[in-house]
Amino acid sequence: QVQLVQSGAEVKKPGASVKVSCKASGYTFTSYYMHWVRQAPGQGLEWMGIINPSGGSTSYAQKLQGRVTMTRDTSTSTVYMELSSLRSEDTAVYYCARDRITMVRGVYYYYMDVWGKGTTVTVSS
Amino acid sequence: SSELTQDPAVSVALGQTVRITCQGDSLRSYYASWYQQKPGQAPVLVIYGKNNRPSGIPDRFSGSSSGNTASLTITGAQAEDEADYYCNSRDSSGNFWVFGGGTKLTVL
Repeated sequence: QVQLVQSGAEVKKPGASVKVSCKASGYTFTSYYMHWVRQAPGQGLEWMGIINPSGGSTSYAQKLQGRVTMTRDTSTSTVYMELSSLRSEDTAVYYCARDRITMVRGVYYYYMDVWGKGTTVTVSS
Repeated sequence: SSELTQDPAVSVALGQTVRITCQGDSLRSYYASWYQQKPGQAPVLVIYGKNNRPSGIPDRFSGSSSGNTASLTITGAQAEDEADYYCNSRDSSGNFWVFGGGTKLTVL
């Protein structure tokens, strides 16, 4: 079955960087893009960006441009999200989610069909 | 515009029907997808496209769309449907994705 297994919780100091991993299994890794989504405590979901595991191309949310880097390792079917210059506002649960595109009668549907369980990142001095 | 707007909270009596809405300019170009999130859990896809349910999602969940508004309807709400619900779509440029602020559903 399709699974996304994320790395464990992290505690970082302000100004540091964090790198979260998401290992995919149960499908062809390079056939589906991967999103990263985060959720601050008590807040809603925030889209961070997307990576194409095949070619490595990325698109990042404008708010995070310059601080976020998404990469992949096709040999281990793993995508990574690195966030630098951490501040307290980056304290959140970080999720990876598989991107899906379905065409029905010429109309494209875009959605995220499988999610990882999340990785808690705490930024505190 | 890159915003999707949802009512922060909605309540429904057990067994009744409730509609959760999502508004945004991008919905004139892209269908929304809907996610259910229970406390301490990852989001789960419940509706995508015009009105499509993934395997395992009860048929009491349905979706619709008109103009700049997408709706998620739960017909015969159950206690286990109490959760936060988020809509999502590509933004108007097509280059990014955006989530609505979420709707907390209470089943009375």
